[in-house]
Amino acid sequence: KAGVTQTPRYLIKTRGQQVTLSCSPISGHRSVSWYQQTPGQGLQFLFEYFSETQRNKGNFPGRFSGRQFSNSRSEMNVSTLELGDSALYLCASSADLGANVLTFGAGSRLTVL
Amino acid sequence: AQRVTQPEKLLSVFKGAPVELKCNYSYSGSPELFWYVQYSRQRLQLLLRHISRESIKGFTADLNKGETSFHLKKPFAQEEDSAMYYCALSGTGGGADGLTFGKGTHLIIQP
Repeated sequence: KAGVTQTPRYLIKTRGQQVTLSCSPISGHRSVSWYQQTPGQGLQFLFEYFSETQRNKGNFPGRFSGRQFSNSRSEMNVSTLELGDSALYLCASSADLGANVLTFGAGSRLTVL
Repeated sequence: AQRVTQPEKLLSVFKGAPVELKCNYSYSGSPELFWYVQYSRQRLQLLLRHISRESIKGFTADLNKGETSFHLKKPFAQEEDSAMYYCALSGTGGGADGLTFGKGTHLIIQP
């Protein structure tokens, strides 16, 4: 069974640009969650998608958004990038909405210059 | 607001010694608690959850609601236990706020 796949693994952007990250969940998993990991703040919940709808959202500005497709694949977008957005973005999938047994991907490391 | 505190950023013990990684939480309701682990060059993965009441790789954790703690314990540490350990909390209501993670404890097992 393939694991959670995130692309790209690494990317560099400049301030003001936008970025889109992709996540393919484990086959059969319908929920996709996104987390931001930084040295200062640790792991922070961004949002959760289930059945193509955002179900839960963490305390992040509206520049952070996402979507989920009918095949459960998810993308997250960050617009008007700031230096502080540099982080490892982790995607995790689970079988159901709100389930907390998460399977994580390897992450997408974003550097904003 | 829910919060998870792991007071030790780094914990170093010798092989064969007991290990205890501390986790304290703040939550007004009945939380669900987890330990996630990240071994070197591997992905973050679930180690155990309190409702399962099981021992994984020799680790156990008991939820103490009175002390609002969920410490992770192992009687005899092994070198392969070296990793980053994260305590996490989910509030009641189907994880509406996602998981709240502690900052993590880097466990080093010395030979």
